[in-house]
Amino acid sequence: SQQGEEDPQALSIQEGENATMNCSYKTSINNLQWYRQNSGRGLVHLILIRSNEREKHSGRLRVTLDTSKKSSSLLITASRAADTASYFCATDARSNYKLTFGKGTLLTVNP
Amino acid sequence: SAVISQKPSRDICQRGTSLTIQCQVDSQVTMMFWYRQQPGQSLTLIATANQGSEATYESGFVIDKFPISRPNLTFSTLTVSNLSPEDSSIYLCSALAGSGNTEAFFGQGTRLTVV
Repeated sequence: SQQGEEDPQALSIQEGENATMNCSYKTSINNLQWYRQNSGRGLVHLILIRSNEREKHSGRLRVTLDTSKKSSSLLITASRAADTASYFCATDARSNYKLTFGKGTLLTVNP
Repeated sequence: SAVISQKPSRDICQRGTSLTIQCQVDSQVTMMFWYRQQPGQSLTLIATANQGSEATYESGFVIDKFPISRPNLTFSTLTVSNLSPEDSSIYLCSALAGSGNTEAFFGQGTRLTVV
């Protein structure tokens, strides 16, 4: 299984601070993605980074990928209370389009 | 991007009964998937819904328990059969954005409680 492992499992910060979440995986990947889930609802795609990319930005999001360490990080800058959610990394292997999700990080941003 | 409508959003069912969940995509998509998210856990892939043929199930999931239909490129159903309290989970439908693109879109999920 190449299930990702996120850490920390839970993170609580104050509004305005940065939040960093990490993800590790086990086997070779094609892409790594980050998703957000509010209160057990559907997932929203945040950002995709390809295996040949090392860093990617989207608004307040910054994602890094280190394929030698099989790890990725998601940085949310200048956090807001509305960023409170669970964040999951997901990987897909080179041979198929199926996504394997990590265990997730529950982020709480306190106003 | 695709918009996925999933219903019902939640249900409470008696053990031994079945629940059918519907997933409607607003555009034709090549691949659709069904996931289960047990309480406090991550998502686990149940199966890939194949248009016009039998679904492809992941290890630990069988057709008799989770029959899936996909009659066309925009619609799929998942039935959870012979319900037990252990089936209480959120079930999510997903579709891929496009050919060669693994960015996925999700429905809002169905929260199932079995009593």
